[in-house]
Amino acid sequence: RKEVEQDPGPFNVPEGATVAFNCTYSNSASQSFFWYRQDCRKEPKLLMSVYSSGNEDGRFTAQLNRASQYISLLIRDSKLSDSATYLCVANSGGGADGLTFGKGTHLIIQP
Amino acid sequence: GAVVSQHPSRVICKSGTSVKIECRSLDFQATTMFWYRQFPKQSLMLMATSNEGSKATYEQGVEKDKFLINHASLTLSTLTVTSAHPEDSSFYICSADRGDSYEQYFGPGTRLTVT
Repeated sequence: RKEVEQDPGPFNVPEGATVAFNCTYSNSASQSFFWYRQDCRKEPKLLMSVYSSGNEDGRFTAQLNRASQYISLLIRDSKLSDSATYLCVANSGGGADGLTFGKGTHLIIQP
Repeated sequence: GAVVSQHPSRVICKSGTSVKIECRSLDFQATTMFWYRQFPKQSLMLMATSNEGSKATYEQGVEKDKFLINHASLTLSTLTVTSAHPEDSSFYICSADRGDSYEQYFGPGTRLTVT
């Protein structure tokens, strides 16, 4: 069974702080990984892809550790608008595979 | 861009009736479309993978005779929930694969309530 596990939170974080999430995946054949953001009662939106070399997009940094099968997301200088549920996602190969979603980590940025 | 639409966005139906949900890729041709379902406070769960012109591939535990998928063109896939029951009430989301990367583009979702 393909699974992606995340701490559901909620993470209550003051504005401006740095927050980090991790997730683990069970399918060692997974080749591509993503972080999606989902706002309440909305569809998920791609935040960033995750590569073994690590990648950064503004205040967001994602890392992949294939040996330990975990993925991380770091948010620096958090904003109120960062409040959302962050979904860790893996697929099993090429683009024809569906995605396996974690249950999401709920982040609340407090003023 | 890569825009995916869904229709309707919200539907309420009576138990025993059938509901059709459309998923369209508006500005690209989708080699593959996917249907997901999300119950409250749960993760998105893949229901089926839909390829144009061929039968959909269903995930384990998803009844193919209850959730009929038709992928008649490279821009349209439909999901029909047949003989809907209250336990089918959920958020149904489609996504489309443009075929040039691993990224999938999600529709805005359809919230189904069966009374």
